Amino acid sequence: EAQVTQNPRYLITVTGKKLTVTCSQNMNHEYMSWYRQDPGLGLRQIYYSMNVEVTDKGDVPEGYKVSRKEKRNFPLILESPSPNQTSLYFCASSLGIPAPYEQYFGPGTRLTVT
Amino acid sequence: AQSVTQPDIHITVSEGASLELRCNYSYGATPYLFWYVQSPGQGLQLLLKYFSGDTLVQGIKGFEAEFKRSQSSFNLRKPSVHWSDAAEYFCAQNRDDKIIFGKGTRLHILP
Repeated sequence: EAQVTQNPRYLITVTGKKLTVTCSQNMNHEYMSWYRQDPGLGLRQIYYSMNVEVTDKGDVPEGYKVSRKEKRNFPLILESPSPNQTSLYFCASSLGIPAPYEQYFGPGTRLTVT
Repeated sequence: AQSVTQPDIHITVSEGASLELRCNYSYGATPYLFWYVQSPGQGLQLLLKYFSGDTLVQGIKGFEAEFKRSQSSFNLRKPSVHWSDAAEYFCAQNRDDKIIFGKGTRLHILP
């Protein structure tokens, strides 16, 4: 089954404790992206990757890191999480740049930073 | 600023009634436009997309949308909603090598 998986689905952590949210897709997609969703703000892009070893900042990259060492994986790293990073995070992938291609979304990771 | 505007944060309709969700875009002469749906606790799923050609596009689950260049709009419609349509709906548009999303419209269905 074609899918984007994220782990963990739920995470509660404390300020400053490094964490990684994994994302993997099995569709051989070149483009991958991370979004955060906050009430009243919709989805905002954090980082994206157009191919292996190619990443770029989205609209809200501060406090996040990513890497793309393999085509299928695109982990999101929070080196020192802060409470304002409490959010719902989505990973997405598409065949190429996300127009005209459809983006496929993972189920989301709900992160709480206390 | 380049943006996608969804004027309605919440909309409530009765089951069986018609639906129209509004979306206005602001970038590009030939935009790529999308509608995504997010059911509770789920990720987003593509309903339909418009790139060129016929300005009325059909999507999944009985939805359609009409592109109106003169109004910079891409409104989503459904003739008769079902309780399972209760969800949040996002309009989106291309911007360079990214997609930007509107803030979403949450649809509530009255029985």
